[in-house]
Amino acid sequence: NAGVTQTPKFRILKIGQSMTLQCTQDMNHNYMYWYRQDPGMGLKLIYYSVGAGITDKGEVPNGYNVSRSTTEDFPLRLELAAPSQTSVYFCASRGGQNNEKLFFGSGTQLSVL
Amino acid sequence: EDKVVQSPLSLVVHEGDTVTLNCSYEVTNFRSLLWYKQEKKAPTFLFMLTSSGIEKKSGRLSSILDKKELFSILNITATQTGDSAVYLCAVYSGAGSYQLTFGKGTKLSVIP
Repeated sequence: NAGVTQTPKFRILKIGQSMTLQCTQDMNHNYMYWYRQDPGMGLKLIYYSVGAGITDKGEVPNGYNVSRSTTEDFPLRLELAAPSQTSVYFCASRGGQNNEKLFFGSGTQLSVL
Repeated sequence: EDKVVQSPLSLVVHEGDTVTLNCSYEVTNFRSLLWYKQEKKAPTFLFMLTSSGIEKKSGRLSSILDKKELFSILNITATQTGDSAVYLCAVYSGAGSYQLTFGKGTKLSVIP
């Protein structure tokens, strides 16, 4: 039972490059989330999705895009990477509105230099 | 804007001590409060609290919610070095409870 799987685990980007962080879950969860975590700052919500084809902005969406074409996958796209996007990124999922326990992936450490 | 505030931000204790971590919140339409433990990687779930005054307990860890005073505490008794971690408090709010707002966390260090 894999749970929530994120790839890659580490990545270094140059300013202005683009990349996609992959997230897939095998629990048939409807709700999926992307968070970023900066040192000492807790987790900030970037985007979330309540089902395939439905996405919405969180607290810090600027510089990011998402799509949700299937229940399993929720990729996060960074366009024109900036040093301010250096962070640890976590993908998470939960079953639905009445199932509030959030399951996290193991994270992606991203550095933009 | 929803707010979740944890205190203290960091704490150093000796093995065997008892610790209390605090979480206060100001949110619209509170739905539930969750505690997570984060070691080096992903946060792992500890407790979810929805009703006031009910204590959730798992081994040496316990938590209680006060919906009137808008706070929760996480207690750890007989601490061990394996309890060293960042403890995160998070609150679901709003009609759809889609978004989970996290506090900054309390970094607990347990020394032998």
